[in-house]
Amino acid sequence: QVQLVESGGGVVQPGRSLRLSCAASGFSFSSNGMHWVRQAPGKGLEWVAVISYDGSNKYYADSVKGRFTISRDNSKNTLYLQMNSLRAEDTALYYCAASALGYCSSINCYRFDYWGQGALVTVSS
Amino acid sequence: DIQMTQSPSTLSASVGDRVTITCRASQSISYWLAWYQQKPGKAPKFLIYKASTLESGVPSRFGGSGFGTEFTLTISGLQPDDFATYYCQHYNSYPLTFGGGTKVEIK
Repeated sequence: QVQLVESGGGVVQPGRSLRLSCAASGFSFSSNGMHWVRQAPGKGLEWVAVISYDGSNKYYADSVKGRFTISRDNSKNTLYLQMNSLRAEDTALYYCAASALGYCSSINCYRFDYWGQGALVTVSS
Repeated sequence: DIQMTQSPSTLSASVGDRVTITCRASQSISYWLAWYQQKPGKAPKFLIYKASTLESGVPSRFGGSGFGTEFTLTISGLQPDDFATYYCQHYNSYPLTFGGGTKVEIK
């Protein structure tokens, strides 16, 4: 059974940093592309970033480029999102999501097959 | 960036109804489109990929169609469990983007 469990959310002041983690189990983590997707309170879904199965390719939404960094540790089956220079508009529920097509770095493999339950990040003074 | 526009934003329907949700892309995305269902307080659930292929375990009353810029999600015979918000998402180019969502509510 696939499980994605996010952690590391919380309340943080504007301009500060936070790191989210996503622990994966039940599938071959090291062969799958992984994403972060966020949802502001009462709003729709926004893709944030993707990292290829081997970590060699990373892409970001313009809204977070230069501030957020996605990374993974395949030995620990864990995905990360380092968030720096946080803004009020980054307040959201952050989901980690997996693309089930293994060993594929093409964007055409990047749908979101599996989702975690989310970690809430609130940026407020 | 490719913009995804869903309509309607809200849809009122009754159990047993056939409902159709439309998703339009601002430029051609071939068939690189997925659909998701989200219930309040829950993570989205993956329903359909490549515009029309049902994910394993998804009931056959769900159907997807379209190519290029216009796509539809159809639910044939709405069930109580289907009242939720539905999102389309393209995966043709970066950035990946979602439609604004369609809330299917009880009439």
